[in-house]
Amino acid sequence: QQQVKQSPQSLIVQKGGIPIINCAYENTAFDYFPWYQQFPGKGPALLIAIRPDVSEKKEGRFTISFNKSAKQFSLHIMDSQPGDSATYFCAASRRDYKLSFGAGTTVTVRA
Amino acid sequence: DAGVTQSPTHLIKTRGQQVTLRCSPKSGHDTVSWYQQALGQGPQFIFQYYEEEERQRGNFPDRFSGHQFPNYSSELNVNALLLGDSALYLCASSPGLAGWSDTQYFGPGTRLTVL
Repeated sequence: QQQVKQSPQSLIVQKGGIPIINCAYENTAFDYFPWYQQFPGKGPALLIAIRPDVSEKKEGRFTISFNKSAKQFSLHIMDSQPGDSATYFCAASRRDYKLSFGAGTTVTVRA
Repeated sequence: DAGVTQSPTHLIKTRGQQVTLRCSPKSGHDTVSWYQQALGQGPQFIFQYYEEEERQRGNFPDRFSGHQFPNYSSELNVNALLLGDSALYLCASSPGLAGWSDTQYFGPGTRLTVL
């Protein structure tokens, strides 16, 4: 069973737009929620992560919003660029490095 | 400082064969986790090694086994290969279970094709 559900499967935005990717989880024992970026032929790279005691975290153009009561979190990519075109995965874990990943969202940013 | 390295990059095997994949963790990391990523899907946790022991295991059959060496490098072995084992196998390293950190770094993966 998939412990983290991610949507949409894919999305296309124009340069400067704000792609938004949503994830939901069931296991309330999860206390670490990272986002990974993966380019074709490469391994996933950690983008940004959040813990449930924080409702929002920003790093550069990437923002995570976290809603603990709804068990949902999302990634916003501000001022998106063609170089942001990649597959993005949300994940969740307890503090044990065993990550449960979402199915991934392929983001295409058109110039 | 080299990141996580994996070998080989690509591998082609036939059904029923056995395969061994290798991983060297990032310098200073002593915990290694293995994931299977089927095409178009998110990575699935296989198992994790710390202090040369399997500490956690995902929902994978016993055909999947592993090992960690004293230098923290690790191997993933898959016996009796099935067509469904075709995937990208990812290794991730982290600083250790004793001093938990946010950082878990992934290698580039080994692409296994089973014919």
